[in-house]
Amino acid sequence: DVKVTQSSRYLVKRTGEKVFLECVQDMDHENMFWYRQDPGLGLRLIYFSYDVKMKEKGDIPEGYSVSREKKERFSLILESASTNQTSMYLCASSSSGVQETQYFGPGTRLLVL
Amino acid sequence: AQSVTQLDSQVPVFEEAPVELRCNYSSSVSVYLFWYVQYPNQGLQLLLKYLSGSTLVKGINGFEAEFNKSQTSFHLRKPSVHISDTAEYFCAVSDPGGSGNTGKLIFGQGTTLQVKP
Repeated sequence: DVKVTQSSRYLVKRTGEKVFLECVQDMDHENMFWYRQDPGLGLRLIYFSYDVKMKEKGDIPEGYSVSREKKERFSLILESASTNQTSMYLCASSSSGVQETQYFGPGTRLLVL
Repeated sequence: AQSVTQLDSQVPVFEEAPVELRCNYSSSVSVYLFWYVQYPNQGLQLLLKYLSGSTLVKGINGFEAEFNKSQTSFHLRKPSVHISDTAEYFCAVSDPGGSGNTGKLIFGQGTTLQVKP
């Protein structure tokens, strides 16, 4: 079975802190994605990566950056956390191809105070 | 730009009743369509997907969906629901934009299915 793990299920941070969210997949997938999930808005894509060191902005990249130094690991970085970044963050991975299924991690619920 | 609209934010239904969760998309090109389910405190998992061929797609847990190109819809159905089907359901459409063959998806807002005893 494909497994996508996220470093934390819950995080509480202060405004202005730098926050790192880690995601690891074990299926040698080329693509990895970071989404945020908010009630009534569904999932919105923050960034995705289609290869090591390659990344593209999604629909809401402002305030975020990403890093993919190894194929299995994709990190989301909040450079200076703000209260409006309180949300559920979901990581996903997939093989290359528009028809491929995305496999999701369990999510990290981030609260910024 | 492509978009996905899930017409109901919440659908309450009694156990063993049928249910339909509605999804419409906007696209002028061929698309792939997906339904994902999110059980409480979990990530999303694939229920079913339409790639080509038969417009009726069967998925896991007794769910099925029908692709209707003329109405740009992909409604999800189950003839008899169980308490364990209580979850949030997301419709998604493939987005061919971006570099390479990335498999980006555009998600709808989600529909919460509440199955009551």
